[in-house]
Amino acid sequence: GAVVSQHPSWVICKSGTSVKIECRSLDFQATTMFWYRQFPKQSLMLMATSNEGSKATYEQGVEKDKFLINHASLTLSTLTVTSAHPEDSSFYICSARYDPVGLSYEQYFGPGTRLTVT
Amino acid sequence: QQPVQSPQAVILREGEDAVINCSSSKALYSVHWYRQKHGEAPVFLMILLKGGEQKGHEKISASFNEKKQQSSLYLTASQLSYSGTYFCGTPNSGYALNFGKGTSLLVTP
Repeated sequence: GAVVSQHPSWVICKSGTSVKIECRSLDFQATTMFWYRQFPKQSLMLMATSNEGSKATYEQGVEKDKFLINHASLTLSTLTVTSAHPEDSSFYICSARYDPVGLSYEQYFGPGTRLTVT
Repeated sequence: QQPVQSPQAVILREGEDAVINCSSSKALYSVHWYRQKHGEAPVFLMILLKGGEQKGHEKISASFNEKKQQSSLYLTASQLSYSGTYFCGTPNSGYALNFGKGTSLLVTP
């Protein structure tokens, strides 16, 4: 149980284009999903917290107009990188909070999406 | 605020033990441990919710000292499959995790 998927796993795009990344909780409902970014040999840095049916909460320094997050259902959150530039190239990972009985704080991560902007 | 992990890196021979530490300057209410292999997403190992709690997962266990605001991950009789980067994470008010910089572990034959 507690499986999270991401699509696509790997994407290359040209500078100036937009890319959408999907994050799905496959066997549980996730009221809260999180988006992280990881540069090579660095830790995971939180970008935003996404709650179903409401606006995402972005971390300081993350441009909300550039990284659009939509959490339309309890099993799907999307991250759209708009007008991507080479410095946006990174490993984007989502996680979903698994809380079946209202007491758990476990988070499960998707397999990640490697974005390369040329 | 990002927790502090130590050591940064460690190399073991198969069968040896290791300890990875995680500390915070802020009060800790829970600590999450993950292992990440190169090019893959982090895999959940365990979560500790209470001060004094200890948990085990195969030959990997962890403790949580709430008063000292720190947690330790213990790897005993390490196996080759234990190689990877270990992260501790501490939740913020919105349950998102602030991760340490990671401890790179390499187990050699």
